Amino acid sequence: SSELTQDPAVSVALGQTVRITCQGDSLRSYYASWYQQKPGQAPVLVIYGKNNRPSGIPDRFSGSSSGNTASLTITGAQAEDEADYYCNSRDSSGNLWVFGGGTKLTVL
Amino acid sequence: QLQLQESGPGLVKPSETLSLTCTVSGGSISSSSYYWGWIRQPPGKGLEWIGSIYYSGSTYYNPSLKSRVTISVDTSKNQFSLKLSSVTAADTAVYYCARVLVTTTIDAFDIWGQGTMVTVSS
Repeated sequence: SSELTQDPAVSVALGQTVRITCQGDSLRSYYASWYQQKPGQAPVLVIYGKNNRPSGIPDRFSGSSSGNTASLTITGAQAEDEADYYCNSRDSSGNLWVFGGGTKLTVL
Repeated sequence: QLQLQESGPGLVKPSETLSLTCTVSGGSISSSSYYWGWIRQPPGKGLEWIGSIYYSGSTYYNPSLKSRVTISVDTSKNQFSLKLSSVTAADTAVYYCARVLVTTTIDAFDIWGQGTMVTVSS
């Protein structure tokens, strides 16, 4: 079982704001990173660290953290944002990495 | 622009050893700020971290796979490799290699290979 817990599915109306969450004890000590995966493609890093976006990632993607919960927020969701989203961080020991179970985002 | 490419057999028989190689191009595998990792994804399921290696050879493995996994690095070829022994159908998955940015405050799998499908079947 994963040490990082995500909701299996979330939906958002086109143009609205959606928050995808990731819970785990290790998030009290380590930042989460977030990945977008579209069908048949490799995951793509969208947020890392406190709130950093790699080059080419739209600024509608942002990250935050509070206590044992990390969040990925998409402000003004677009049709092309429909994808699976995974969080990732260290485990509680700090020596290993772990992925959340993933959240399927549907843009209505 | 750094790129990663997985290579290896797409079909492995049960009880045998799965062997994959990740070739790094456009940059050095010996960069001090990076680890190199393997991640897999069974059909229709989520991502599972398998293990990571530093260019010096230090390794970290998923405890659930540790008894069967070996990750190694060849800096002269700019490659790192995965061996998974005693495979079963449950090891059927897309296998990805990735670069792992590691600083005092940040971890991120920032560049991924395209992935390679490995099927375990007789």
